[in-house]
Amino acid sequence: DQQVKQNSPSLSVQEGRISILNCDYTNSMFDYFLWYKKYPAEGPTFLISISSIKDKNEDGRFTVFLNKSAKHLSLHIVPSQPGDSAVYFCAASATLQGGKLIFGQGTELSVKP
Amino acid sequence: GAGVSQTPSNKVTEKGKYVELRCDPISGHTALYWYRQSLGQGPEFLIYFQGTGAADDSGLPNDRFFAVRPEGSVSTLKIQRTERGDSAVYLCASSPTRNTGELFFGEGSRLTVL
Repeated sequence: DQQVKQNSPSLSVQEGRISILNCDYTNSMFDYFLWYKKYPAEGPTFLISISSIKDKNEDGRFTVFLNKSAKHLSLHIVPSQPGDSAVYFCAASATLQGGKLIFGQGTELSVKP
Repeated sequence: GAGVSQTPSNKVTEKGKYVELRCDPISGHTALYWYRQSLGQGPEFLIYFQGTGAADDSGLPNDRFFAVRPEGSVSTLKIQRTERGDSAVYLCASSPTRNTGELFFGEGSRLTVL
């Protein structure tokens, strides 16, 4: 069963506009959520995270929103830049279940100049 | 180097052969993870070490897969009797503590089983 789902395999956005990447989860035990970014031939790199006690976390151009009742989180990138083009993975963990990360399938973001 | 190092970067083998993949984590990181990423999918958890012991091996798909970390640093993922379905990128990650969630990934070892 897919506990973390990213239903959009790809997203194309114009430079300067907002990019919104979405993620849904099913396991109510998840209490920590993260976004990773991956360029081709490289390992994923950590981008931003949010604890379940918060509903928003911001870091520069990146903001993550968490809606626990809907079991949904989103990553907003404003303004989008061509260098943001990459695959973005949503991940979740449950402290009481050992804390291992469960990843979604990824969304490939393309930011066009 | 300062990052997680994985060798080999590419491995091509024949069905039925034995394979070892090595991971050298960031110095001082006590937690080490192995993930597997198939084409078009996100990383799939395999096993997690805290120090020398496997704290969680629930993601290992079957008994052909085994991993060790004898001195609490370098880890080796071992795959016996490889099958074509084992073809994937095997990612190693480390972190300084257990539950921050922020993992530092290596570039991966791409395994192709012919």
